[in-house]
Amino acid sequence: NAGVMQNPRHLVRRRGQEARLRCSPMKGHSHVYWYRQLPEEGLKFMVYLQKENIIDESGMPKERFSAEFPKEGPSILRIQQVVRGDSAAYFCASSGQGVFGTEAFFGQGTRLTVV
Amino acid sequence: GQSLEQPSEVTAVEGAIVQINCTYQTSGFYGLSWYQQHDGGAPTFLSYNALDGLEETGRFSSFLSRSDSYGYLLLQELQMKDSASYFCAVIDGKSTFGDGTTLTVKP
Repeated sequence: NAGVMQNPRHLVRRRGQEARLRCSPMKGHSHVYWYRQLPEEGLKFMVYLQKENIIDESGMPKERFSAEFPKEGPSILRIQQVVRGDSAAYFCASSGQGVFGTEAFFGQGTRLTVV
Repeated sequence: GQSLEQPSEVTAVEGAIVQINCTYQTSGFYGLSWYQQHDGGAPTFLSYNALDGLEETGRFSSFLSRSDSYGYLLLQELQMKDSASYFCAVIDGKSTFGDGTTLTVKP
């Protein structure tokens, strides 16, 4: 049973380009959470999705950022017109239930570098 | 909103015991979790407390006092491989993380 898979592991984008980060949850999990981590800092909640629905996007910047979790396929975090301040590690976690609790597992993260 | 406070750094020697405290303020609360992260890798789950008291899992234990909005992670018989960042997280449907405590274990 594969764990949470994120790709790519490393992504380099020039300022103004688009970044697409993918997260495939663990088999049987229908809840996905995205977090951003700056160096030497904690994980900052961005968005919580269930299949085809955004449940909580209170941590998402109002502009340039969007997330989806379609019925088929991975969850996608999309950052348009990237800026240097978007450089960070982006982690997703998945759970089989709606409470994060003990069942949430993290992927290895995507390290985005904006040059 | 939610806020959590934990020490930024802790240093201890191999074989010792260390306690990492976490205080929180939250508008919604299911429980308190602890995660370990090595060198920016995937955070891994350590423990979860939904009720007051101590939960023990091997060398690691976690404590929660809901009335005091306080918890701690206790690591016993420290090993070099325990050097990592440790995060407490309030579980409120999603999960709100503290800024982490960097534990350095010295020989």
